[in-house]
Parts: sequence; structure tokens; C-alpha cells
Amino acid sequence: DGGITQSPKYLFRKEGQNVTLSCEQNLNHDAMYWYRQDPGQGLRLIYYSQIVNDFQKGDIAEGYSVSREKKESFPLTVTSAQKNPTAFYLCASSTPRGGEGQPQHFGDGTRLSIL
Amino acid sequence: QKEVEQNSGPLSVPEGAIASLNCTYSDRGSQSFFWYRQYSGKSPELIMSIYSNGDKEDGRFTAQLNKASQYVSLLIRDSQPSDSATYLCAVNWSGGSNYKLTFGKGTLLTVNP
Repeated sequence: DGGITQSPKYLFRKEGQNVTLSCEQNLNHDAMYWYRQDPGQGLRLIYYSQIVNDFQKGDIAEGYSVSREKKESFPLTVTSAQKNPTAFYLCASSTPRGGEGQPQHFGDGTRLSIL
Repeated sequence: QKEVEQNSGPLSVPEGAIASLNCTYSDRGSQSFFWYRQYSGKSPELIMSIYSNGDKEDGRFTAQLNKASQYVSLLIRDSQPSDSATYLCAVNWSGGSNYKLTFGKGTLLTVNP
């Protein structure tokens, strides 16, 4: 089955620690995204990538880093510089079609908490 | 600043009624509009896409788009308790990358048996 796989489902971070969230897709989508969702809030874009080896900052990139070495994979690192990392992290992907924006499809998410 | 506003909830309707969810957006050049359903503790699930003015129907769901008024809505007919969820409106950017979507904060819908 095609889809987006995020792991782990739950993650705990100690103070001063960097943690990496995994996102893998087998939909052959060009673009991938990372969002953060806080309780009662909408989705805020952290980073996105339209093509391998290229990515752009979203609205709240500070304290996060990404890489896009393979089309299928877009891992997110939450660094120790991110002082309030507790949130629900969602990875999504999409593919272009002409000039129209395309829907994004989401993985099941990773819940990150501070120990 | 690209903004997407949704009617504040929560919205409560009885089973079998029509639920109406509304969304306005600030970017007049936006071309693509999406509705997602998000159950508590789960990730968003795409339920409707609409690109042209007018209505688009899919089962019990109808999306309505009015680009002149910068307004998109979602109607759910014969609402069921299983429709209880947060509904997110998403709109693409017209300038720069059309890959990006801006999401509203969502409207929580409760369907009472």
C-alpha cells in the first residue's frame, strides 16, 4: 500500500538533546512537508522540500533542521535550540499537477514530549 | 500575510441535520481549496478538493467555492456521530510555490445522536 510512514509514534526528549523524526513515503511524490500542531491549533509549516537536495524554511523553522537526500525520505531534527518542542508533528507529501496546488497527504504523526 | 479563517466552533448539530462549515481566505489569487477531517489524536485526512467556482458533491459532502467573495464552505448532509471531528480548511498560495498550503485553525463539529 502506498502511503507515508512516520516513526516513532511517540518520542520523549531530554533537555539539551537533539531528536530526529523519520518520514518516509512511497507515493513517488516530489514535495514533502513538516508541520507542527499544538492543542487546539491549526497546522504550522516548519520546513518543506520540492525536490531532492533542496528545502525551504516554513513559518516556524527556528530550532529545527531537515535533509532531503532521497526522494522518499525527509527526516526532521528537533534541536536543543527548540525550547518548546512538545507538539504533534505531521509529515505530508504532494505532487504537482499543472499550475494547480495539489492536496497534501499526511502520515500518522509523531507526538514529541519533554522528559 | 496569507490568512485562512474558519468559523469559530464548536459546532453542534443533531444526527441527521446538515452541518455547515465556513472558511474565508485573504489571497485573492488562490486557486486550490481543500477540506480535511481530523479525528481527535489522529492526522488530517483529505475529504474534498475544489478548484472551480460552484458546488462539488461527493456522497454526503458538498464543497462550495466563491472566489469573488473569497469564501469556501463544506456542507455535510445527514450528519452522523462518526462525522464528529475537527474540519480544517486549506488554501494554496498563488505566488511563489504553489506547493504550499495555508491551513485554518479548524472547526470542531459534534454530531449528537
